[in-house]
Amino acid sequence: DTAVSQTPKYLVTQMGNDKSIKCEQNLGHDTMYWYKQDSKKFLKIMFSYNNKELIINETVPNRFSPKSPDKAHLNLHINSLELGDSAVYFCASSGRGGAFEKLFFGSGTQLSVL
Amino acid sequence: AQSVTQLDSHVSVSEGTPVLLRCNYSSSYSPSLFWYVQHPNKGLQLLLKYTSAATLVKGINGFEAEFKKSETSFHLTKPSAHMSDAAEYFCVVRNYNNNDMRFGAGTRLTVKP
Repeated sequence: DTAVSQTPKYLVTQMGNDKSIKCEQNLGHDTMYWYKQDSKKFLKIMFSYNNKELIINETVPNRFSPKSPDKAHLNLHINSLELGDSAVYFCASSGRGGAFEKLFFGSGTQLSVL
Repeated sequence: AQSVTQLDSHVSVSEGTPVLLRCNYSSSYSPSLFWYVQHPNKGLQLLLKYTSAATLVKGINGFEAEFKKSETSFHLTKPSAHMSDAAEYFCVVRNYNNNDMRFGAGTRLTVKP
């Protein structure tokens, strides 16, 4: 069973389009994240939700809008895609205490904007 | 705010020689610190974590890290590098209050035969 699953794995699209990436975790964690990894491998947090509530919102263009319908899901919608949005986007979740104090990552979504 | 600084963007070692990947942290609280590894075209995997128990933490694949509060450091070491260790390594600090997990810029480890 995949703990954190995100879809799609690859996303190729034209500039100006709107796209969504979905993420689901079956670990019962309260906190979910979106990270962006650029071509230089730098991982930067974009958003974090705790029990469906937005708690971290970094300096990200408002074309990016996260949505958490329940604490097991955190989707990322991107409007008016730009070339600079090309990156790998990782979803992650974490719990609290003991063995849960770590991030569980999805396998990533490679977004290519042409 | 918590942050980590990885002091080297690239480290190159020969197979069989020791590995040292450096990380300094900044935190208002007693931090939780982690090292993650990312192999080429793969996802991220936890190597080890420090959460205020023993200051010397042992992880997978022979890696370990020592938490030094006086130096605000959490350097990752391995006595003998293996070719399969070639990867990108990330130091991470966690904010206990809101579970904010901040990554360092990463250190690429190259292992030469």
